[in-house]
Amino acid sequence: AQKVTQAQTEISVVEKEDVTLDCVYETRDTTYYLFWYKQPPSGELVFLIRRNSFDEQNEISGRYSWNFQKSTSSFNFTITASQVVDSAVYFCALSGRNTGGFKTIFGAGTRLFVKA
Amino acid sequence: GAGVSQSPSNKVTEKGKDVELRCDPISGHTALYWYRQSLGQGLEFLIYFQGNSAPDKSGLPSDRFSAERTGGSVSTLTIQRTQQEDSAVYLCASSFTGVNEKLFFGSGTQLSVL
Repeated sequence: AQKVTQAQTEISVVEKEDVTLDCVYETRDTTYYLFWYKQPPSGELVFLIRRNSFDEQNEISGRYSWNFQKSTSSFNFTITASQVVDSAVYFCALSGRNTGGFKTIFGAGTRLFVKA
Repeated sequence: GAGVSQSPSNKVTEKGKDVELRCDPISGHTALYWYRQSLGQGLEFLIYFQGNSAPDKSGLPSDRFSAERTGGSVSTLTIQRTQQEDSAVYLCASSFTGVNEKLFFGSGTQLSVL
């Protein structure tokens, strides 16, 4: 079975602080993909990043960085120097073959509050 | 259209009534998903369509829920005999092939069952 766990329900930080959102996954697939999505207060989910199971290279995009570690089945997301506009719900997701088809499952999400 | 379109954006219904929610995916996208997001909760997978293959219905919570996708494009999610616990935001997403690709989401339908 596939499962995505985001243990942090809510995080509150002050602007300019760094914050890391945790994601732990379970899968029996050897080939799979991991994703992060952002859901701002307006409601529409927006894709942030996709990584495949063969690429453990960490990635940095501006203030965002992702740390993928297969050994611990984790795909954590760090925002450096957070801003108020980063306030949103962030979802980690997993995609892989599962009983005959591919589907994407999501974690419960982490609500991030960035205070000015 | 330019993005995934869902209608209606809001639906209020009485317990026991049937409702239909519509999703118009991005043109050319062969994969279409329905998810449900209850207040303050994560995204619960409901059903997945991929091209002409049989849909993956493994996430539908009961036989009151059904979905179809006509002509490989527009999809309708039907909830029969609605219950109060069906109240949630129903999100539709599509992707070009569905095989491990990023999803494009619609704005959702907020369903309220009174």
